[in-house]
Amino acid sequence: AQRVTQPEKLLSVFKGAPVELKCNYSYSGSPELFWYVQYSRQRLQLLLRHISRESIKGFTADLNKGETSFHLKKPFAQEEDSAMYYCALIYSNYQLIWGAGTKLIIKP
Amino acid sequence: DGGITQSPKYLFRKEGQNVTLSCEQNLNHDAMYWYRQDPGQGLRLIYYSQIVNDFQKGDIAEGYSVSREKKESFPLTVTSAQKNPTAFYLCASSRGAKDTQYFGPGTRLTVL
Repeated sequence: AQRVTQPEKLLSVFKGAPVELKCNYSYSGSPELFWYVQYSRQRLQLLLRHISRESIKGFTADLNKGETSFHLKKPFAQEEDSAMYYCALIYSNYQLIWGAGTKLIIKP
Repeated sequence: DGGITQSPKYLFRKEGQNVTLSCEQNLNHDAMYWYRQDPGQGLRLIYYSQIVNDFQKGDIAEGYSVSREKKESFPLTVTSAQKNPTAFYLCASSRGAKDTQYFGPGTRLTVL
């Protein structure tokens, strides 16, 4: 069955340190994955998707089919990166399966 | 923030009552979605609609109903058959099947 796992409920790092938010998936087809973010008092919004291969706000995510992972990385964390991050997988038209989310706290 | 609006922000319901959550979008998107979010869990799909006058059940449709009479509107009714309705409900829309979903601010429903 398809599944998305974000193993860390909470991740706390110091400003300027590297950040890696983990996302592992289970899916038999060709995966399409997203990272969504929710900043405090804002609505959930797309951060990036793997097919676009973009770097948004300094974040990148590489799809590793061998390890079935789509970890989100940023080399130098900023305080404004503090937010809730969700990994999601499209498993059928219109249907996503979501991870439980990781709360990222950037300490000054 | 425009785009997608949900109302009300907070909703209280007595057991045995049906309640309807509103979702409106002005993005001209064909697809709309309803999700439920519980603490410590990811979003779970309740219903989705690809186009006006059409909708499909998601993973947890039991105890919920929807309608899609207008492109802009996708109201969700939480019926008395829903065993555990207290949750945070999110509405979203997208242009197409695998496009970015845009979310509303959510409605927190509490059953008293």
